[in-house]
Amino acid sequence: QQQVKQSPQSLIVQKGGIPIINCAYENTAFDYFPWYQQFPGKGPALLIAIRPDVSEKKEGRFTISFNKSAKQFSLHIMDSQPGDSATYFCAAGAGGFKTIFGAGTRLFVKA
Amino acid sequence: DTAVSQTPKYLVTQMGNDKSIKCEQNLGHDTMYWYKQDSKKFLKIMFSYNNKELIINETVPNRFSPKSPDKAHLNLHINSLELGDSAVYFCASSRTTGGYEQYFGPGTRLTVT
Repeated sequence: QQQVKQSPQSLIVQKGGIPIINCAYENTAFDYFPWYQQFPGKGPALLIAIRPDVSEKKEGRFTISFNKSAKQFSLHIMDSQPGDSATYFCAAGAGGFKTIFGAGTRLFVKA
Repeated sequence: DTAVSQTPKYLVTQMGNDKSIKCEQNLGHDTMYWYKQDSKKFLKIMFSYNNKELIINETVPNRFSPKSPDKAHLNLHINSLELGDSAVYFCASSRTTGGYEQYFGPGTRLTVT
């Protein structure tokens, strides 16, 4: 019930493509779903986050889609660029509760 | 201005040694964390402190001991280092408990030989 399952493990897309990363959770107490981006040799950095009261959130080229009934959420990267090549982590959190991270997806965007 | 800083960035040491990693945040956050990231990039929480009090202590060997002298600092001391301790250790902070919007440090790559 504590897990956040993330897929795929790795993803290769052409520049301009739309990579999609999926996550699923079990614990309905989670009320905050962030995505973190990590470049090699750096710490993870918050990219975008969503609360379960909305089904979609966009920030620039990054969109989170959220399906509360299915307990799933996903990250879409529009018009992907080589500079988006990084590891992406989904996570789930709740007040007074630790954040659970997914296993990560290594994205490579070909020029 | 670095928000969350860690020292050292790299640490190479031999089995059996004792080492410390320091972390400082200048964001005014109440909660700080230590994470371990293994070679497969999996991020696992180790400890969390809120206003100098330990609130999360995952199943981490007793050889790992966190210390928070004040809410801006969280240090990690590791005794009797083992090969399996080799990993990247990240410090992070958030405004409140629950891990909302965590800010991570640059990491400390620990290599035990």
